[in-house]
Amino acid sequence: NAGVTQTPKFQVLKTGQSMTLQCAQDMNHEYMSWYRQDPGMGLRLIHYSVGAGITDQGEVPNGYNVSRSTTEDFPLRLLSAAPSQTSVYFCASSYSSGTGGNSPLHFGNGTRLTVT
Amino acid sequence: KNQVEQSPQSLIILEGKNCTLQCNYTVSPFSNLRWYKQDTGRGPVSLTIMTFSENTKSNGRYTATLDADTKQSSLHITASQLSDSASYICVVSAGGTASKLTFGTGTRLQVTL
Repeated sequence: NAGVTQTPKFQVLKTGQSMTLQCAQDMNHEYMSWYRQDPGMGLRLIHYSVGAGITDQGEVPNGYNVSRSTTEDFPLRLLSAAPSQTSVYFCASSYSSGTGGNSPLHFGNGTRLTVT
Repeated sequence: KNQVEQSPQSLIILEGKNCTLQCNYTVSPFSNLRWYKQDTGRGPVSLTIMTFSENTKSNGRYTATLDADTKQSSLHITASQLSDSASYICVVSAGGTASKLTFGTGTRLQVTL
């Protein structure tokens, strides 16, 4: 089991460029999500999905798009990169969207994005 | 607004010593509390999940406690090892859905020789 795989590990963009951060999981998890981690702040939810074809906004969705055409993949698109989007991005999945019982989030190892 | 506060921000201890990390939260309605370990350059990894009715939960040398009345949790690390050097993040779930998690900013632990 590879778990949650994120690519690329590092990326540098110029302001205004677009790109897609890839996320794939091989655990047949129903729930997938994207977070950003900034210094001095807790992880913040960008978008999430409770199943193929279903997505919703989190706390900080502006400037990002997502889609979920398969159970395994949940890409995050930056439409027009801005310096404020410089951050470390984590994809996470869990067996269920409900957090009752033992449904821990499984995280990928992140993509470090710099926007100049 | 739901909040999770952790203390201390950072901590340095000698290998073999014990330490305790603190987490205070104001999250409603409370569903469960989780502790994650995040190594440098890696994603967080789940250590424990505790529900309202659980006071203590152990995972090897890691023991988490929860006092739902005072809204406090602690993570105790016994006989620390160099590999325990990491950030430890407290996460509280509101309302029982994965999209309602509030993350603390973490405690940075360094274990030295």
